[in-house]
Amino acid sequence: QKEVEQNSGPLSVPEGAIASLNCTYSDRGSQSFFWYRQYSGKSPELIMFIYSNGDKEDGRFTAQLNKASQYVSLLIRDSQPSDSATYLCAVNPPGGSNYKLTFGKGTLLTVNP
Amino acid sequence: GAVVSQHPSWVICKSGTSVKIECRSLDFQATTMFWYRQFPKQSLMLMATSNEGSKATYEQGVEKDKFLINHASLTLSTLTVTSAHPEDSSFYICSALVGSDNSPLHFGNGTRLTVT
Repeated sequence: QKEVEQNSGPLSVPEGAIASLNCTYSDRGSQSFFWYRQYSGKSPELIMFIYSNGDKEDGRFTAQLNKASQYVSLLIRDSQPSDSATYLCAVNPPGGSNYKLTFGKGTLLTVNP
Repeated sequence: GAVVSQHPSWVICKSGTSVKIECRSLDFQATTMFWYRQFPKQSLMLMATSNEGSKATYEQGVEKDKFLINHASLTLSTLTVTSAHPEDSSFYICSALVGSDNSPLHFGNGTRLTVT
C-alpha cells in the first residue's frame, strides 16, 4: 500500500515566521516529489517539485528531500496570511509518470497576522 | 496563468440525472488528461486517464459506465457522471501534464458537484 503521510494540523505560525511542513512516504523507489497549495474550495496549485536529495529554493519556499529517510519537507520563510491554506504533498510511483501521483491528506497552515 | 480550464465551477443536480464536466487545455495540446476526485478532508484520488482518440483508462474501483469520459480533441476532455447519487457529491478536478511525462501536473479549477 503506497502511502503519503502528513500531519493534518492545523499548524499555526505568526506572520513573518518560518513554517515547516513535513511529509513521509512509504514507497522507497519514488523519484518525484511535489508540494501543492490548496485554498479552501479551490483546486491544488503547484508550489514546488524536487527530484534530487537536498534543498531546492524558490523565493520564500524551500523544498528538502531525503530519500534515505523517505522524507520531504517544505519551508516557507517570512510567512504571510495569504499563505494560509492546505499544503498537499504528492509522490509519484516508481517508474511511473507524474500524473499518477499519490497525495497526502494535507496539512492546514494558518498564518496569524 | 491557468493552463487548464474546467467548467462548470459548481453544479447542483437531482439524484438520477447526469452531469457533464468539461476540461480544456489552454494554449497547448493535451493528448492525455487526468480526472481526480476529492472528498471533504480527503486526499485527491486519480479516477481515470483520458486519452485523445481512444478509450479512457480507469483506476481500480471506478465504474467506467458511471463516469463516462470522452476525449474527442487535443484540447478537450469531458467527464459525465451518469445517474448521479448523493454519494457522488465531491470535488472533481481535471489535470494535464504540460510537456513530457516528467513534467509536473497542473490542475484545472475544479468542479464542485452536489447531488440532492
